[in-house]
Amino acid sequence: GNSVTQMEGPVTLSEEAFLTINCTYTATGYPSLFWYVQYPGEGLQLLLKATKADDKGSNKGFEATYRKETTSFHLEKGSVQVSDSAVYFCALTVKAAGNKLTFGGGTRVLVKP
Amino acid sequence: EPEVTQTPSHQVTQMGQEVILRCVPISNHLYFYWYRQILGQKVEFLVSFYNNEISEKSEIFDDQFSVERPDGSNFTLKIRSTKLEDSAMYFCASTLDGNTEAFFGQGTRLTVV
Repeated sequence: GNSVTQMEGPVTLSEEAFLTINCTYTATGYPSLFWYVQYPGEGLQLLLKATKADDKGSNKGFEATYRKETTSFHLEKGSVQVSDSAVYFCALTVKAAGNKLTFGGGTRVLVKP
Repeated sequence: EPEVTQTPSHQVTQMGQEVILRCVPISNHLYFYWYRQILGQKVEFLVSFYNNEISEKSEIFDDQFSVERPDGSNFTLKIRSTKLEDSAMYFCASTLDGNTEAFFGQGTRLTVV
């Protein structure tokens, strides 16, 4: 079956620090990969996505590259802000699987001023 | 910007009672989903719905669950006889055509006492 594993949190950082959240996956079929973010009190929002190997998704200073050889989709940001404090979810969908999303466990990130 | 809306934001119910969680997907979207997240655990797929019928459901979606699109705008999840373990955050999502970005609502926190 399909599964997503991401590093457990919480991750606590100072403002302007470098952030990496590891994500690896297993999938039957060719997955599309996503990072969703959940800010406090809000729903899940798509942060970025990549649909084929070596694609790089980017948004709001965050980046992730689809690495088929290592089945990974690590999220990075070079300089975090307090407003980046949120829970980040790695997810995949496989077209043959009806396009439902399979999520990782989520990583809480806390950025301190 | 169009959004998925869910009501109520928080529902407390007694064990054994029926609850209906409501969602208004984005108006031109054709695929609808329910996910849930038990506190501290992964976001899990429950069911997908297309063309007025269930297209896929997970093992979690047993006979006590049902979904309905009673009119042109609402998409509901009914839990017939709630159990303590149904306490979770329930997310509704919709996509335009099943292949594009899933938009999520803010979630309904269900507490069964």
